[in-house]
Amino acid sequence: NAGVTQTPKFRVLKTGQSMTLLCAQDMNHEYMYWYRQDPGMGLRLIHYSVGEGTTAKGEVPDGYNVSRLKKQNFLLGLESAAPSQTSVYFCASSPPGHWNNNEQFFGPGTRLTVL
Amino acid sequence: GENVEQHPSTLSVQEGDSAVIKCTYSDSASNYFPWYKQELGKGPQLIIDIRSNVGEKKDQRIAVTLNKTAKHFSLHITETQPEDSAVYFCAASNPRGEYGNKLVFGAGTILRVKS
Repeated sequence: NAGVTQTPKFRVLKTGQSMTLLCAQDMNHEYMYWYRQDPGMGLRLIHYSVGEGTTAKGEVPDGYNVSRLKKQNFLLGLESAAPSQTSVYFCASSPPGHWNNNEQFFGPGTRLTVL
Repeated sequence: GENVEQHPSTLSVQEGDSAVIKCTYSDSASNYFPWYKQELGKGPQLIIDIRSNVGEKKDQRIAVTLNKTAKHFSLHITETQPEDSAVYFCAASNPRGEYGNKLVFGAGTILRVKS
């Protein structure tokens, strides 16, 4: 199993450009998440999905959109990139929220720089 | 919503010494408290977790304690080794909440083990 994979690993954008980050998982997990990681701020939830075709806002959703057309994929889009979106982006997945099965599995991250 | 505070932000210890990282949370409904380790250039990985029905959990050199009354939990690493050097994140969530296993993370602790 590859676990959680993210594409691309690195990207540099100019202000106003758009891009899509792809997350894929092969563990048949229902739940998927997008986080951003900034120095001194830990990981903050951008958007998440509890199943195919469903998405919801997290703590910092502004400037981002997501789609979950297939269970194994979760896409994060930036329509008009801004320097404030320079960050490391992590995707994660987990089984449904049962008592004994809450671990989130993280991908290796995408480092995005917006000039 | 939930707020998690983590201390210290950096911690340097001598190899063989113990390291303790502390977190406090605000939402008394939170009942799942994982700890993640993030090595340089990688995504976070779960190292231990504790649920609100237990006060302490151990796994070899690492242990976690939970004080529900005071709403704080701690990570203890004994006999530290250079490979323990990493960033450690605490988190809190309510897996029985309405949506997903949303985790709220602390800001992270950079642990350096000096040999």
